[in-house]
Amino acid sequence: AQTVTQSQPEMSVQEAETVTLSCTYDTSESDYYLFWYKQPPSRQMILVIRQEAYKQQNATENRFSVNFQKAAKSFSLKISDSQLGDAAMYFCATTGGYQKVTFGTGTKLQVIP
Amino acid sequence: DTGVSQDPRHKITKRGQNVTFRCDPISEHNRLYWYRQTLGQGPEFLTYFQNEAQLEKSRLLSDRFSAERPKGSFSTLEIQRTEQGDSAMYLCASSAGPSNQPQHFGDGTRLSIL
Repeated sequence: AQTVTQSQPEMSVQEAETVTLSCTYDTSESDYYLFWYKQPPSRQMILVIRQEAYKQQNATENRFSVNFQKAAKSFSLKISDSQLGDAAMYFCATTGGYQKVTFGTGTKLQVIP
Repeated sequence: DTGVSQDPRHKITKRGQNVTFRCDPISEHNRLYWYRQTLGQGPEFLTYFQNEAQLEKSRLLSDRFSAERPKGSFSTLEIQRTEQGDSAMYLCASSAGPSNQPQHFGDGTRLSIL
């Protein structure tokens, strides 16, 4: 069984600033993956970044990076140089087994011009 | 690559009616997933296909729900005798293979029960 907890229902950031979204998870899988997905209003879910649990190095994708703390089961997302287009719901997720993805409840990110 | 396509985008129906949704995955993807998302929540897993085989079903999938993927390509999700609580966004996703491959999501079908 897997659970994902996002404790920040809403966050805001000034344009060009940096923001960190928190996520903790629990899983019984020994081999699993972690993802951050972005869902803009009325638009489809898009993968932002992914992390293989067996890799110690934190994943980065341009302005997006993660802080993966395996022992603490923590997987936070850092967005640098925030842009207006970053405004969206962000979902932390984990997968294992048949690749069923378990999502958190999401964090709504507002970017202030 | 045209992405995952879902039809219809919106469905409004009266309680008690049957509805069917369709999902066309990315053509080379052998795995297909259905999720349900209610307002303010993350998507919840419903069921999963590998090719034409339905390999896992959530306990959320009551006997009023049935999903098929007859030829391992498109999939349908049918809800019989709809109830108010079925109102949600139904998302379809597909992926190419092992767990490290990301799922690609469609735009979803929004179901509203009157």
